Amino acid sequence: GQNIDQPTEMTATEGAIVQINCTYQTSGFNGLFWYQQHAGEAPTFLSYNVLDGLEEKGRFSSFLSRSKGYSYLLLKELQMKDSASYLCAVSIKAAGNKLTFGGGTRVLVKP
Amino acid sequence: ETGVTQSPTHLIKTRGQQVTLRCSSQSGHNTVSWYQQALGQGPQFIFQYYREEENGRGNFPPRFSGLQFPNYSSELNVNALELDDSALYLCASSLSATNEKLFFGSGTQLSVL
Repeated sequence: GQNIDQPTEMTATEGAIVQINCTYQTSGFNGLFWYQQHAGEAPTFLSYNVLDGLEEKGRFSSFLSRSKGYSYLLLKELQMKDSASYLCAVSIKAAGNKLTFGGGTRVLVKP
Repeated sequence: ETGVTQSPTHLIKTRGQQVTLRCSSQSGHNTVSWYQQALGQGPQFIFQYYREEENGRGNFPPRFSGLQFPNYSSELNVNALELDDSALYLCASSLSATNEKLFFGSGTQLSVL
């Protein structure tokens, strides 16, 4: 089976930086995804990492270490609209694009 | 280009009843996946349909079943509803069964009383 762990909740101040960690244990790893989900809305795709290293997209960056089974999502210059749940998900080679999600990290941005 | 749409948005049923949820995939997408998301948790994979055939199933009992139609829209059926079936049901479409980018609908919130 697969096991994905991420913190349940984090709080940060507007304009600050927050790092959301995700650790996973799986066989046949094929890629790691980050999704953002506002309350009552659809998850939206943020990033996809398949190779080790940092991927940067504007204020959001995602890092992957395959050897450590570890990823993080970095949110810079936090805005109030970034208050949402952030979902880490893993795909395995044998399963195509069927994803296994972690429990999600709820981020609250305070003024 | 229309996105993924789901209907209904909210539904209330009683234990033992049956429910059908519907999903229209994004234009050009032939793969639909269904996920169950309990409150405060991440989505759990139910099953996937690719070109009208089931293409993988998660750890859900047989009373969860589905269909995909020639236009690639899909239905999720749940029989003999239980209280624990109360959740947000998400549909996601993709260009193929191996394309990594999933596009999610806003979900159907099912409450079982």
